[in-house]
Amino acid sequence: NAGVTQTPKFQVLKTGQSMTLQCAQDMNHNSMYWYRQDPGMGLRLIYYSASEGTTDKGEVPNGYNVSRLNKREFSLRLESAAPSQTSVYFCASSEQGASGRQDTQYFGPGTRLTVL
Amino acid sequence: SQQGEEDPQALSIQEGENATMNCSYKTSINNLQWYRQNSGRGLVHLILIRSNEREKHSGRLRVTLDTSKKSSSLLITASRAADTASYFCATEGANAGKSTFGDGTTLTVKP
Repeated sequence: NAGVTQTPKFQVLKTGQSMTLQCAQDMNHNSMYWYRQDPGMGLRLIYYSASEGTTDKGEVPNGYNVSRLNKREFSLRLESAAPSQTSVYFCASSEQGASGRQDTQYFGPGTRLTVL
Repeated sequence: SQQGEEDPQALSIQEGENATMNCSYKTSINNLQWYRQNSGRGLVHLILIRSNEREKHSGRLRVTLDTSKKSSSLLITASRAADTASYFCATEGANAGKSTFGDGTTLTVKP
């Protein structure tokens, strides 16, 4: 099992350009998440998807859109990149236990994005 | 704002010593998880402790949860140089299904 995979690993964009970050998991998890991590800080939730066909905003959704393409795949799109979006982006997936409670999250290796 | 806050921000110890880091949070939680992140890598899950549990062990790791004080601690015993990493707590609040991370404790274990 590959776990959680992310592409690309590195990306440099110019201000105003768009791009899509791809994430896939092979653990048959219902829930998937996109986080960003700025230097010296913890992870902040951008968007999440509790199940196929649903998406919800997290703590910092502005400037991003997401698509839960199917149970395996959850993509993050930057429509018009800004320097403030320079960060490391992590995708994660988890199963949900009883009453919708979150179980262990499994993380991808991250995408390092620089916006010039 | 972050729900969980780790303390201390940085910790430096000698190999063989124990390392203790703490996490405090503000509102009721369903569970609390600890993760490790090596430099430049993704996060690796260490332990999940639910709100009705007080202590859990995994190898050299011991996690406690005190819901009355809204705090948790992670103890790493007999530390090794390979334990050098950042450690994060993540809390799942009453709005189940998502977690909030703290800014982490950076642990350095000197050989």
